[in-house]
Amino acid sequence: DIQMTQSPASLSASLGETVSIECLASEDIYNNLAWYQQKPGKSPQLLIYYASSLQDGVPSRFSGSGSGTQYSLKINSLESEDAATYFCLQDSEYPYTFGAGTKLELK
Amino acid sequence: EVQLVESGGGLVQPGRSLKLSCAASGFTFSDYYMAWVRQAPTKGLEWVASISYDGGSTYYRDSVKGRFTISRDNAKSSLYLQMDSLRSEDTATYYCTVGVLYWGQGVMVTVSS
Repeated sequence: DIQMTQSPASLSASLGETVSIECLASEDIYNNLAWYQQKPGKSPQLLIYYASSLQDGVPSRFSGSGSGTQYSLKINSLESEDAATYFCLQDSEYPYTFGAGTKLELK
Repeated sequence: EVQLVESGGGLVQPGRSLKLSCAASGFTFSDYYMAWVRQAPTKGLEWVASISYDGGSTYYRDSVKGRFTISRDNAKSSLYLQMDSLRSEDTATYYCTVGVLYWGQGVMVTVSS
């Protein structure tokens, strides 16, 4: 199985700051990487698919990059609504696997 | 607007069965692979199973292989998950997903005596 190592596990940042979250795959996943945002009591919402494609309706302050085994999610100009847990998912091969999540708190 | 509405969850004893359903609307159901993903309380996400456009191919995580069966009815735009021989570790919220794109609101399954 492909292991997804996500870091950091938690993050505290101020409004207006820029943050990055990383996912490292145990093998090449050929850009088959999605990023999700999940708020308490809600289902995950897709932000980015195929490593860098922005899902319709997602603010442009979210961006994804990476290739091979290393991928990152960047959030520019943090807003209060960005407080959430973020997950990565590899859909390169079965079984699909998720990162453990990054909890983003706003100061 | 894509809508995925899961149903069929609840409290069940270990070793018993439960069948989850997902009613889909707002997109052409038969054009997409569908999947079930679960999340144990206060835990991360875990992919459970996927099914191809016509149901001809299915994929499972090892821990549910032989116990869970994913199926679909394209005429009814519905996805199913038959869960047999349930274990306490299957306790989770189960989400119906359209590939990796859209997720339902989830349905809770609790396996406990």
